Formats: sequence, C-alpha cells, structure tokens
Amino acid sequence: DGGITQSPKYLFRKEGQNVTLSCEQNLNHDAMYWYRQDPGQGLRLIYYSQIVNDFQKGDIAEGYSVSREKKESFPLTVTSAQKNPTAFYLCASTPGGTIYEQYFGPGTRLTVT
Amino acid sequence: GQQLNQSPQSMFIQEGEDVSMNCTSSSIFNTWLWYKQDPGEGPVLLIALYKAGELTSNGRLTAQFGITRKDSFLNISASIPSDVGIYFCAGLLETSGSRLTFGEGTQLTVNP
Repeated sequence: DGGITQSPKYLFRKEGQNVTLSCEQNLNHDAMYWYRQDPGQGLRLIYYSQIVNDFQKGDIAEGYSVSREKKESFPLTVTSAQKNPTAFYLCASTPGGTIYEQYFGPGTRLTVT
Repeated sequence: GQQLNQSPQSMFIQEGEDVSMNCTSSSIFNTWLWYKQDPGEGPVLLIALYKAGELTSNGRLTAQFGITRKDSFLNISASIPSDVGIYFCAGLLETSGSRLTFGEGTQLTVNP
C-alpha cells in the first residue's frame, strides 16, 4: 500500500537530548513537510523540502534540523536548543508541480521531560 | 505569517443536524483544502477546491471556494457520531509557492 509512515508513534526523551523523528513515503512525491501541532491549535510549518538535497525553513524552524538525502525520506531532528519540544509532529507530502494537496502521516507524539 | 480565520472554534450538535463552518482571510487564495483530524491521528483530506466559485461534494460533505477567493465554507449534512473530530481548512496563497496556510480548526461534537 502507498502511504506515509512515521515512527515511532510515541517517543519519550530526557531534556537536553537530541531526537530524530522518521518520515518515509512511497508515493513518489517530490515535496515533503514537517508540522508541529500543540493541543487545541492548528498546524505550524517547521521545514519543507520540494526536491532532494534541498529544504527551506518554515515558520518555526529554530531548534530543529532536517535532511533530504533520498526522495522517500525526510527525517526531523529535534535538538536540545528547542525550548519547548513536547508536541505532536506531523509529516506530509505532496506530488509537487501544480498539485498542492498534502497527505499526512499518522504523527509522532514527542514528550520531553 | 498569513492568517486564516476559521469559525466556529467548536460546535456541539445533535445527530442528524446539518453543520456549517467557514474560513476567511483578507488575502487571496488559489486553492482551498478541507481536512478532518481524529484524535491522535494525522489529518485526512476531505475536499480540494481549485477555482473561485467551485462547489464540490464528497458524500454528505459539500465545500465551496468563495467567489472573492478570500473564503471557503464546508457543510456537513445529516451529521452522524463518526463525524466527530477537528476540521481544518487550508489555503494556498498566490505568493506562497507550495506552502499551505492552516486555520486553527473547528472541533465538532455530535451527540447521539
């Protein structure tokens, strides 16, 4: 089945540790996105990538880093510099070109204590 | 960044009632998308709109792309308990490339 996978579903880390969230898609989509969602709020864009080996900062990129070495993979690292990392993280992809419909993965809930 | 005003913030309705929610902005959008999110899951795309004035249905859901290109609404007819969730609008600004702007969501509760 084609789709977007995020793993793990739940992640627990101690403060001061970096943590990497996985996002993989087998839809052959060009563009991929990372969003953060806090309780009762909408989605805020962290980083996005429209093509392999290229990515751009979103609205809240501070304390996060990404890489896009392969078309199907777009991992997000939450660094110790992120002041409030506990949140629900969503990955999405879109075919690119003139198609803007984004398809989301199931999300990873990160808890940092 | 740009803002989308989504209303209402929450709705409590009885099963069988119709529901309407909308998103408005002072900016012009080229595309409107409507998503539904269940608790702890990723949003699922319900309807995509690409032309001003476009009216599109998906089962009991109907969405319209406002003629001014600054708003969109979503209607749900004859609501059922499984309609419960958060509904998000998302728009693509003329000047934003492929970045979507999301509304803050409408939390829908359906009482059986």
